[in-house]
Amino acid sequence: AQTVTQSQPEMSVQEAETVTLSCTYDTSESDYYLFWYKQPPSRQMILVIRQEAYKQQNATENRFSVNFQKAAKSFSLKISDSQLGDAAMYFCAYRGLYGGATNKLIFGTGTLLAVQP
Amino acid sequence: DTGVSQDPRHKITKRGQNVTFRCDPISEHNRLYWYRQTLGQGPEFLTYFQNEAQLEKSRLLSDRFSAERPKGSFSTLEIQRTEQGDSAMYLCASSRTGDLTDTQYFGPGTRLTVL
Repeated sequence: AQTVTQSQPEMSVQEAETVTLSCTYDTSESDYYLFWYKQPPSRQMILVIRQEAYKQQNATENRFSVNFQKAAKSFSLKISDSQLGDAAMYFCAYRGLYGGATNKLIFGTGTLLAVQP
Repeated sequence: DTGVSQDPRHKITKRGQNVTFRCDPISEHNRLYWYRQTLGQGPEFLTYFQNEAQLEKSRLLSDRFSAERPKGSFSTLEIQRTEQGDSAMYLCASSRTGDLTDTQYFGPGTRLTVL
């Protein structure tokens, strides 16, 4: 079974600085998708960035980028020029491509990011 | 897009009562998912619909839980004889066949408290 591990329960960053959130996963599949979702306090989960495993190029969305290391099964999120609005719980998620009928996401336990002014 | 909506946002009930939650997906999305999230944890998959067909149910979904999507649009999740362990945030997400990554978009959730 696939698993997702986020080993940093909490992280803190100064406004305008850069922070990297870690995620590792375990799978025997060769094709899959990886996602980072952001869940602000008492607000809904929103997609931050996604990565197709067959793409070697790391995904980038404005200040958010990933470092995808397929062999190491690592998928870290880098937030540049951190802003107060980036404070949230961040979840790493995996979705297999050949998991049968389901397209379910498997989530890690999350990293709570605090942004200090 | 108006986004995924869920109703109610909060529900407090007494143990043993039945509750029903509703999810309205993004209009052109044919796939709908239910997840459960407890405090300090990531969401856990409960069940999945493609159109009106329920294609998978997690072992987390006991016999007291039932979900429907009668016309392939909105979905309901019912919990019968609620227990304190059912207290959690219930999240709904939707996605669209044909979207390369089948990205799921989440609603705001329904927070259930069982007293």
